[in-house]
Amino acid sequence: SQELEQSPQSLIVQEGKNLTINCTSSKTLYGLYWYKQKYGEGLIFLMMLQKGGEEKSHEKITAKLDEKKQQSSLHITASQPSHAGIYLCGAPSPDLADSWGKLQFGAGTQVVVTP
Amino acid sequence: DGGITQSPKYLFRKEGQNVTLSCEQNLNHDAMYWYRQDPGQGLRLIYYSQIVNDFQKGDIAEGYSVSREKKESFPLTVTSAQKNPTAFYLCASKWTGVTEAFFGQGTRLTVV
Repeated sequence: SQELEQSPQSLIVQEGKNLTINCTSSKTLYGLYWYKQKYGEGLIFLMMLQKGGEEKSHEKITAKLDEKKQQSSLHITASQPSHAGIYLCGAPSPDLADSWGKLQFGAGTQVVVTP
Repeated sequence: DGGITQSPKYLFRKEGQNVTLSCEQNLNHDAMYWYRQDPGQGLRLIYYSQIVNDFQKGDIAEGYSVSREKKESFPLTVTSAQKNPTAFYLCASKWTGVTEAFFGQGTRLTVV
């Protein structure tokens, strides 16, 4: 099955600084999702990438999918306390026969923003 | 308002008892999912269903059972065979194909 590895596992960043989270797949990605989770709550959808080289931005968060479609990065510019939480990448299975039904996630990256 | 609802938010059960977690969506989504999340870990897929009356095992299906009798409902039963059931359970739904999933707020199950 496809595995998604996220790095780093956790990071502490000072408010106003930038941060980057990476997500690497063992197989070609047919889609890559980024979600944010506050502890004990559900996941909030951030962005979805599908095409090699694609880049999307929303407010201060930018996500990219590399040309080979096996790695994605999430970049936060000028971090704020509201950016604290757990960030997870997810992807549908590469099995066309399964109609991309099996949806799996990385282990998550815990982000702490300090004053 | 359209959305996906999990209930209850907190659930306590005695060891050896079966317990059923509810997940309902009114988004007309075809696919529904159940995940388990343990402290400091990501989401692990338990079961998923892409159409009514059909479902597939995920990566950690042992000790769990599901049903999909209606499009909007996908209940998860944690059976006594699940050796370590205490965890945070998340339900999600989406349209088929490469589309984003919407998540419920989760149910925290504690077995004592």
